[in-house]
Amino acid sequence: GAVVSQHPSRVICKSGTSVKIECRSLDFQATTMFWYRQFPKKSLMLMATSNEGSKATYEQGVEKDKFLINHASLTLSTLTVTSAHPEDSSFYICSAEDRAFSSGANVLTFGAGSRLTVL
Amino acid sequence: KQEVTQIPAALSVPEGENLVLNCSFTDSAIYNLQWFRQDPGKGLTSLLLIQSSQREQTSGRLNASLDKSSGRSTLYIAASQPGDSATYLCAVLDNNDMRFGAGTRLTVKP
Repeated sequence: GAVVSQHPSRVICKSGTSVKIECRSLDFQATTMFWYRQFPKKSLMLMATSNEGSKATYEQGVEKDKFLINHASLTLSTLTVTSAHPEDSSFYICSAEDRAFSSGANVLTFGAGSRLTVL
Repeated sequence: KQEVTQIPAALSVPEGENLVLNCSFTDSAIYNLQWFRQDPGKGLTSLLLIQSSQREQTSGRLNASLDKSSGRSTLYIAASQPGDSATYLCAVLDNNDMRFGAGTRLTVKP
């Protein structure tokens, strides 16, 4: 079945540094990838929708200059948390929509998530 | 390793019918369980979040229950409408990892 690989699974960084999280569709092409953030004791929040070859669409309240999203190929999207601060510490998860099914069965496959801790 | 299973994979019902979607998970040591809705070409919409200490949550026509000891959750949709047609996913958060079920694709026929 479809597999989405998310890397790294856990990362600890110092305040002020930037962290890049990768989301790869391993055996299918994903025209659309979604990035989410999980706040403690709260539900998953959609941050942005990433379409291959175009700019990401950010949800209201999400700073696009802070959370840089790049979707340069049909199998890779990256989320870069720039100048990270402790309040950016969270669980980030991506999902990818299989291009083959984009017009029909809306198959979404999720990565396992990335736990970011900013010291 | 946590495994999340959703049954059925697809469901088609006439408008107005009450229905139940099922979600099971193998490791009961979860932090919370969430039900999501996914529409074609769009990201997830969170429907209900149940903390591990809770047994159910309600929102409008939706009611989700959680039986952690048996590793089960149900999503009850009352008086279904064509607008409820979507894929419904459950996800469990345990030990910092979130695991999703494969989803149930619901079609509500007018």
